[in-house]
Amino acid sequence: DAKTTQPTSMDCAEGRAANLPCNHSTISGNEYVYWYRQIHSQGPQYIIHGLKNNETNEMASLIITEDRKSSTLILPHATLRDTAVYYCIVRTPQGGSEKLVFGKGTKLTVNP
Amino acid sequence: NAGVMQNPRHLVRRRGQEARLRCSPMKGHSHVYWYRQLPEEGLKFMVYLQKENIIDESGMPKERFSAEFPKEGPSILRIQQVVRGDSAAYFCASSPFTGRGEQYFGPGTRLTVT
Repeated sequence: DAKTTQPTSMDCAEGRAANLPCNHSTISGNEYVYWYRQIHSQGPQYIIHGLKNNETNEMASLIITEDRKSSTLILPHATLRDTAVYYCIVRTPQGGSEKLVFGKGTKLTVNP
Repeated sequence: NAGVMQNPRHLVRRRGQEARLRCSPMKGHSHVYWYRQLPEEGLKFMVYLQKENIIDESGMPKERFSAEFPKEGPSILRIQQVVRGDSAAYFCASSPFTGRGEQYFGPGTRLTVT
């Protein structure tokens, strides 16, 4: 699975959009981008995933660049409860190892 | 629809004792994964199981650790002769089928070895 690079930490004002970047320059054609988050001391929570098209669900939007070398997770209206560590994971969903490889992630702090 | 359940949520064991951690996957999910998070460290994969089968145990320590997912009942992560270095949060996740990458995590069991 390709390696990802994320900023160590970010801050965001409550009510504003939080844009979390992820670089995955070695991603291969059949690898998906997944986002999870871990709110302090809780189990990780699946957020969203995508291959090459932009994706949106009730939690967030995922924007993947045309060359697929980077992506951005967007929380449109961040709340204090969105303070968490956000993990960007690249993996092949079929036929490969099922394990998720978590990096250090981005510590997002939403400020009032 | 209940989520992934883990018990106990907190477990204290003395060095040399055994620890048994239980995980009940979401209804309809037949794939279970165990992860460990040491203090101030990231999440590390330990083992992936399907009913009655260990599929990938590449992240399991070679000694003292074992896991099972029987035909009936919860998945069990067993740690024999615990040491202080085993103190960590142990998370279980489940998924309905292979390959999708959407794993749903439980609240974790925090093991403290005294």
